Amino acid sequence: NAGVMQNPRHLVRRRGQEARLRCSPMKGHSHVYWYRQLPEEGLKFMVYLQKENIIDESGMPKERFSAEFPKEGPSILRIQQVVRGDSAAYFCASSPEGKEQYFGPGTRLTVT
Amino acid sequence: RKEVEQDPGPFNVPEGATVAFNCTYSNSASQSFFWYRQDCRKEPKLLMSVYSSGNEDGRFTAQLNRASQYISLLIRDSKLSDSATYLCVVNGPTQAGTALIFGKGTTLSVSS
Repeated sequence: NAGVMQNPRHLVRRRGQEARLRCSPMKGHSHVYWYRQLPEEGLKFMVYLQKENIIDESGMPKERFSAEFPKEGPSILRIQQVVRGDSAAYFCASSPEGKEQYFGPGTRLTVT
Repeated sequence: RKEVEQDPGPFNVPEGATVAFNCTYSNSASQSFFWYRQDCRKEPKLLMSVYSSGNEDGRFTAQLNRASQYISLLIRDSKLSDSATYLCVVNGPTQAGTALIFGKGTTLSVSS
């Protein structure tokens, strides 16, 4: 049973470009969460999605960030017009019923 | 007061030692409690859920005191492979109540 998959594992973008991060949950899991870990900081919740629905986006920055979890395919976290402060590790987690969460390997975004 | 507070350490112990980590949380409405471990900025891995009655998994024992809003993790007979950062995690007061709030972690280093 494959775990949570994220790609790319490393992503380099110049300031002003767009970053797209993908997450495929564990088989049988319909709940997806995105977290961000800034250097030397703890993980911070960003958004919680179920298929085709955003359930909780209270941790998402108001601008430039969006997320989706379509009926088919992976969940996508999209960051428009990236800035240096967006450089971080972005982790996706999945859960079968919104309780224990299992994390993917993360995408390390570097903005130059 | 921070939502989840942990002593950052580091805790440096010899193999075979017993070590205890403590954590406090601020949201009295939290219902779910966990310990995760994180190695070298990799993804957090679920170590164990924490229940009011206390629970044990091999060398690891977790305790929860709801009245004091206090969680603990005891590791007996430490192994070199236990070296990692231990994250205290509770469910947060977000819209859906299932997002996880992470402490910044306590670093453990076990030496031979």
